Amino acid sequence: GAVVSQHPSWVICKSGTSVKIECRSLDFQATTMFWYRQFPKQSLMLMATSNEGSKATYEQGVEKDKFLINHASLTLSTLTVTSAHPEDSSFYICSAASWDRLREKLFFGSGTQLSVL
Amino acid sequence: DQQVKQNSPSLSVQEGRISILNCDYTNSMFDYFLWYKKYPAEGPTFLISISSIKDKNEDGRFTVFLNKSAKHLSLHIVPSQPGDSAVYFCAASARAGNNRKLIWGLGTSLAVNP
Repeated sequence: GAVVSQHPSWVICKSGTSVKIECRSLDFQATTMFWYRQFPKQSLMLMATSNEGSKATYEQGVEKDKFLINHASLTLSTLTVTSAHPEDSSFYICSAASWDRLREKLFFGSGTQLSVL
Repeated sequence: DQQVKQNSPSLSVQEGRISILNCDYTNSMFDYFLWYKKYPAEGPTFLISISSIKDKNEDGRFTVFLNKSAKHLSLHIVPSQPGDSAVYFCAASARAGNNRKLIWGLGTSLAVNP
């Protein structure tokens, strides 16, 4: 079964509204969560890296006030797209990482397709 | 420079037969690989992943094989069903300092014919 639950898988919203995407690790504690975005016919781009209890680190060009990331617990990270606009329509994926005997284990969410009208 | 390549843009298979989708990569630092499936007008959905310490991972009808020396992975679907018709994307991940890159192939369109 899935070990990372990403919700919702599909969302359509009106321009100007905010959308929250959840990424939850189901049976392990994720020390780090990564958020990616993919535009059509392009590769996945890392948006930000979040560590539990600390502020997220955003990649260059990603507006931190627009894409709010909260990683309040070891099992949950959320990405909120504030005041969404049609250009924010994209596919968003989270991945959660944990360490096991000096090796990083990585699990992926199922993705969220965001369509902003 | 495309680090993850899916050289076959399309594949057609008869129902009940095996579908083999291939993916090649160039960066030896990739340590996780995954496959996503995408139906038309829908977002991609996660299918299966594999760590670089393994050479095989199986989940029902789907098996991913990893050949690190050849920098090649493949997804096998047995038996293929018409509902498997979709675009399949291969992706690879590598640590880069505090970040993790995730590089996506351009996809292979699979058609399973009844």
